[in-house]
Amino acid sequence: GENVEQHPSTLSVQEGDSAVIKCTYSDSASNYFPWYKQELGKRPQLIIDIRSNVGEKKDQRIAVTLNKTAKHFSLHITETQPEDSAVYFCAASSEGVRRGGGNKLTFGTGTQLKVEL
Amino acid sequence: ETGVTQTPRHLVMGMTNKKSLKCEQHLGHNAMYWYKQSAKKPLELMFVYNFKEQTENNSVPSRFSPECPNSSHLFLHLHTLQPEDSALYLCASSQEPGSTDTQYFGPGTRLTVL
Repeated sequence: GENVEQHPSTLSVQEGDSAVIKCTYSDSASNYFPWYKQELGKRPQLIIDIRSNVGEKKDQRIAVTLNKTAKHFSLHITETQPEDSAVYFCAASSEGVRRGGGNKLTFGTGTQLKVEL
Repeated sequence: ETGVTQTPRHLVMGMTNKKSLKCEQHLGHNAMYWYKQSAKKPLELMFVYNFKEQTENNSVPSRFSPECPNSSHLFLHLHTLQPEDSALYLCASSQEPGSTDTQYFGPGTRLTVL
């Protein structure tokens, strides 16, 4: 099955700096890579995603890059703000065991991002 | 924030109890999922339901029993749990059962097994 590794496990940056979180995956059939942000005590919320037919996607201060050959993808946050402090999860998705079997997401272990004033 | 709801938000139970977790989605989605989130571990997919049919059981012990009576509701029945089953249980839903569809999460049920 799919295996997703995520680094670093903790990341501390100064406000205004950039933050980069990296993930690798093992299953070459994976074709969808979402990133979720989870604040303390709250639900994971999708912040950006990328599909395997593109190499980069940007949404304001957030960008994601995908290298299918190397099987890795990264989250980039620019001009970080205190409200960016949270745990960030990457995930990789492949079709379920059966056709039409749902979106089978495998998650990384998470990165605790702390933005300091 | 109210698209996927879960009840109860917190649950404490003994190892001999039987309880159920409930999830409801108001997004008109066709696929629903149960995840387990333990401290310092990645979210683990437990079950997938597609149009009320279970399409994935990720080697989950039989003390967890899912039920999906319709596309909007999903239950997780719990019995004779172990302390290591204490975790945050998250429900999610997606529009279609395709592999590139966005999943939306509920707030979770914080379960403590004594």
